[in-house]
Amino acid sequence: DAGVIQSPRHEVTEMGQEVTLRCKPISGHNSLFWYRQTMMRGLELLIYFNNNVPIDDSGMPEDRFSAKMPNASFSTLKIQPSEPRDSAVYFCASSPWGELFFGEGSRLTVL
Amino acid sequence: AQSVTQLGSHVSVSEGALVLLRCNYSSSVPPYLFWYVQYPNQGLQLLLKYTTGATLVKGINGFEAEFKKSETSFHLTKPSAHMSDAAEYFCAVSDRPGNAGKLIFGQGTTLQVKP
Repeated sequence: DAGVIQSPRHEVTEMGQEVTLRCKPISGHNSLFWYRQTMMRGLELLIYFNNNVPIDDSGMPEDRFSAKMPNASFSTLKIQPSEPRDSAVYFCASSPWGELFFGEGSRLTVL
Repeated sequence: AQSVTQLGSHVSVSEGALVLLRCNYSSSVPPYLFWYVQYPNQGLQLLLKYTTGATLVKGINGFEAEFKKSETSFHLTKPSAHMSDAAEYFCAVSDRPGNAGKLIFGQGTTLQVKP
């Protein structure tokens, strides 16, 4: 079975550009989570969805960040405009019940 | 609010030695506790979890952890370290195991295994 699929795996962009990260959760999982990992702050929960509905976005840093889940098999995390401090590894995870299954992450570098 | 503290950001052991990674939690409700492992350039993988029932939990790759409510701890152990155990380990807590639950992670402990 395919796991959580994230794209792109690596993204290098310049400050001010729009960045879109994509996630395909495991089929049948009805919760989806976006985490950010940095050396300074560790793993931070940005937002999570349950049955495609955003439940808690209190971790989203600011209005430059937005996330959508238009259907059960796809989610996006968008940063517009991007800043150097957004450089991090962004993980998507899906969950059937009480256990998270992580993708391999999208490493974002903003110059 | 829930929180997790992992004692020691780096732990170094010799191959064949006991591995002990420490985790203490804070929770106002009965916690659900998890250990995840992250290998370089990969996502996190579940090692083991405690929800209810037996307090000694066995996971993959020979790891186990014991939930001690009186000590608010959930330390991870392995009797004999292997070189392939070198990775970063995360302890996490949730307030509920259901679909809407979300995990609060500790800062992680990097395990180094020396030959």
